[in-house]
Amino acid sequence: NAGVTQTPKFRILKIGQSMTLQCAQDMNHNYMYWYRQDPGMGLKLIYYSVGAGITDKGEVPNGYNVSRSTTEDFPLRLELAAPSQTSVYFCASSPTGDYGYTFGSGTRLTVV
Amino acid sequence: KQEVTQIPAALSVPEGENLVLNCSFTDSAIYNLQWFRQDPGKGLTSLLLIQSSQREQTSGRLNASLDKSSGRSTLYIAASQPGDSATYLCASGSNDYKLSFGAGTTVTVRA
Repeated sequence: NAGVTQTPKFRILKIGQSMTLQCAQDMNHNYMYWYRQDPGMGLKLIYYSVGAGITDKGEVPNGYNVSRSTTEDFPLRLELAAPSQTSVYFCASSPTGDYGYTFGSGTRLTVV
Repeated sequence: KQEVTQIPAALSVPEGENLVLNCSFTDSAIYNLQWFRQDPGKGLTSLLLIQSSQREQTSGRLNASLDKSSGRSTLYIAASQPGDSATYLCASGSNDYKLSFGAGTTVTVRA
């Protein structure tokens, strides 16, 4: 019962580098989400997907890209990392989009 | 745009005391209201979900109420225990399958 698996757990990037945060779920959920959580702030939605091949922007999509080629995987791509992208990133999935959310344990990213 | 606020940002109580956590939202046209728990360094765990047509929801020592007209939800935790120490976040759900989160209330239960 893995649930939602995020890798890596920690990463330090230099300004201008790129990386992909991986997210995989084994519950056959159609809905998947990427959030970022900054200190003292609520989670902000970056991108979401309602099924394989379908993605859409959330509240803070600038500087990020996603793809959803399979139901299981929803990677988040950071291009040209900036210090403002220092945050904790959470991936989540839901069977219907309105309840039953399962969150991954997060990726702590620092851009220096 | 939905704004969700949780006040206070932190509170500390002695073991056994009842906890009252507040959540307010600006747009009363919510689809549902959800409460989550977050332990340090971990992801979020779903606690309770209240549909927009409901007034409250209960699970064990947890009870959540919803008053859409005043834009408020309250999470009650009865007879708090040290294991209840965590950050509690509320989130309003919209009919386009997105959640708007508050910043959370960090609770410390002193033994």
